[in-house]
Amino acid sequence: AQSVTQLGSHVSVSEGALVLLRCNYSSSVPPYLFWYVQYPNQGLQLLLKYTTGATLVKGINGFEAEFKKSETSFHLTKPSAHMSDAAEYFCAVIRHTGNQFYFGTGTSLTVIP
Amino acid sequence: DSGVTQTPKHLITATGQRVTLRCSPRSGDLSVYWYQQSLDQGLQFLIQYYNGEERAKGNILERFSAQQFPDLHSELNLSSLELGDSALYFCASSPGTGSYEQYFGPGTRLTVT
Repeated sequence: AQSVTQLGSHVSVSEGALVLLRCNYSSSVPPYLFWYVQYPNQGLQLLLKYTTGATLVKGINGFEAEFKKSETSFHLTKPSAHMSDAAEYFCAVIRHTGNQFYFGTGTSLTVIP
Repeated sequence: DSGVTQTPKHLITATGQRVTLRCSPRSGDLSVYWYQQSLDQGLQFLIQYYNGEERAKGNILERFSAQQFPDLHSELNLSSLELGDSALYFCASSPGTGSYEQYFGPGTRLTVT
């Protein structure tokens, strides 16, 4: 069975500081991996995805994530936080052969001026 | 704008009632997914349709049902509503074949009083 763990339901960073949001998955076969962002009162927006190929994936708004099979992780990073990055971030996985997304519980990012 | 539309945006109804939520997928997408998002349960997958046929089922209650029509729009029917059904309901779509990312609509906020 698939599962996704996001460590830290709330993360606060100062504006300009590094953003690191953690995601670990459990699967016997590496799944496809996604990060979504949800701004208040809006739907989820795809930030980036990993399916195959290069393990360092770049997404929108300066975010990137690295797939590390040995650590079963797909942590999301951004070198310098902006106020506009304040939102809820969700990690999700899907099996190669399946269609069902499994979402993490989300991490709320606060950016302190 | 993801290209996925959902109506209505807000819905307030009483316990015991029945409501229908509507979703139009992105042009060309064959798969439609329904999710429920609440504070206590997080983001829960309900059901998926692909080109008119049910493809996967998640944590969907028996009081809930869905269908996808020939024009690919989908409806989620919620009946015998309870206070605990109050949540945000999201629809997402994807091309369905070889492409796994899902594009989310803005959601319908259901309030059961």
